[in-house]
Amino acid sequence: AQTVTQSQPEMSVQEAETVTLSCTYDTSENNYYLFWYKQPPSRQMILVIRQEAYKQQNATENRFSVNFQKAAKSFSLKISDSQLGDTAMYFCAFMKPYNNNDMRFGAGTRLTVKP
Amino acid sequence: DAGVTQSPTHLIKTRGQQVTLRCSPKSGHDTVSWYQQALGQGPQFIFQYYEEEERQRGNFPDRFSGHQFPNYSSELNVNALLLGDSALYLCASSSRRISSYNSPLHFGNGTRLTVT
Repeated sequence: AQTVTQSQPEMSVQEAETVTLSCTYDTSENNYYLFWYKQPPSRQMILVIRQEAYKQQNATENRFSVNFQKAAKSFSLKISDSQLGDTAMYFCAFMKPYNNNDMRFGAGTRLTVKP
Repeated sequence: DAGVTQSPTHLIKTRGQQVTLRCSPKSGHDTVSWYQQALGQGPQFIFQYYEEEERQRGNFPDRFSGHQFPNYSSELNVNALLLGDSALYLCASSSRRISSYNSPLHFGNGTRLTVT
């Protein structure tokens, strides 16, 4: 079974600084998808960034980037130039292709951006 | 373009009762998945519906059942409620015609269910 571990329950960062959230996962699959979702107090899960396992290049979306280490089964999220609106729960998620949206989530990291 | 909408927003039920939660998918999406998010945890997959049939199910008992209608909207039913069923229930939609990577899940704001 696939498991996702986020070892940092809470983190904080000063506005405009950079923060990295950690995520590791366990799988025997060779191809899979990885995601970071953000959940603000509004409760809606919002996709931040995604990565296909067979793509070696790390994904980047504006201020958000990932460090994907397939051999180490690690998928960390880096947020640059942190903004107050980045304050939220962040969830790392794993999914096998064609798996009917059975997405496995970690327990989340609560990120607080301080002014 | 309306996103995923869920109703009701909040719900309080008593142990043993039954509850029905509703979800309308994002426009253009035909697949609905349901997740349970207990307090302080990540969401857990309950099941997915496509073409009005349950296609995949997570590790949830038969007390959890669902339905999808011809307009792609969906319901989640939970019978014989337990205190442990208290959670945020999230609905997510996607398009079956596109790979799950290129059509990632779009989530609603969830229904907060409290069982007393």
